Amino acid sequence: DAKTTQPTSMDCAEGRAANLPCNHSTISGNEYVYWYRQIHSQGPQYIIHGLKNNETNEMASLIITEDRKSSTLILPHATLRDTAVYYCIVRVQGGADGLTFGKGTHLIIQP
Amino acid sequence: NAGVTQTPKFQVLKTGQSMTLQCAQDMNHEYMSWYRQDPGMGLRLIHYSVGAGITDQGEVPNGYNVSRSTTEDFPLRLLSAAPSQTSVYFCASRSAAGAEDNEQFFGPGTRLTVL
Repeated sequence: DAKTTQPTSMDCAEGRAANLPCNHSTISGNEYVYWYRQIHSQGPQYIIHGLKNNETNEMASLIITEDRKSSTLILPHATLRDTAVYYCIVRVQGGADGLTFGKGTHLIIQP
Repeated sequence: NAGVTQTPKFQVLKTGQSMTLQCAQDMNHEYMSWYRQDPGMGLRLIHYSVGAGITDQGEVPNGYNVSRSTTEDFPLRLLSAAPSQTSVYFCASRSAAGAEDNEQFFGPGTRLTVL
């Protein structure tokens, strides 16, 4: 699986959009970009994934650059409950083994 | 659905003791995995299974055994606990088929301390 690079921490004001970047310059053509988050002391939670097109669901939007070497997770209206560690993971879809987690980005939503 | 359940939530062991961490899922998922998470770190894969009777090693398998006798259960065994195994353990499952294989579901974790 390709390696990802994320900032260690970020702050965002409540009600504003939180934009979390991820670099994955060695991504292969068949690898997807997945985002998970982990709220303190809980198990990780799936947010969204994509291959090359931008994706949106009820939780977030995922913007992948045209060369696929980086992506941005967008939480459109951040709330205090969005304070968590966000993990960007690159892997082939359908693989039987587990996910490779880095240290992620600690997003802190400020009131 | 209860999703992925883990027991116990907390456990303290002495060095050399053995124990089994339990994991169960009621979503009929083929794939199940065990991870450990040390303070300030991401999760690391210990063992995984693609179905009943089939298991394989992950990134950090030493000191742990697993078995998968049913689709629902995937216990993790520590045969002789060591302080280095103090960690939070997460179990996860996901479907192998179609669009459902995108999302991995995690349990609430077991916090293990080995003295």
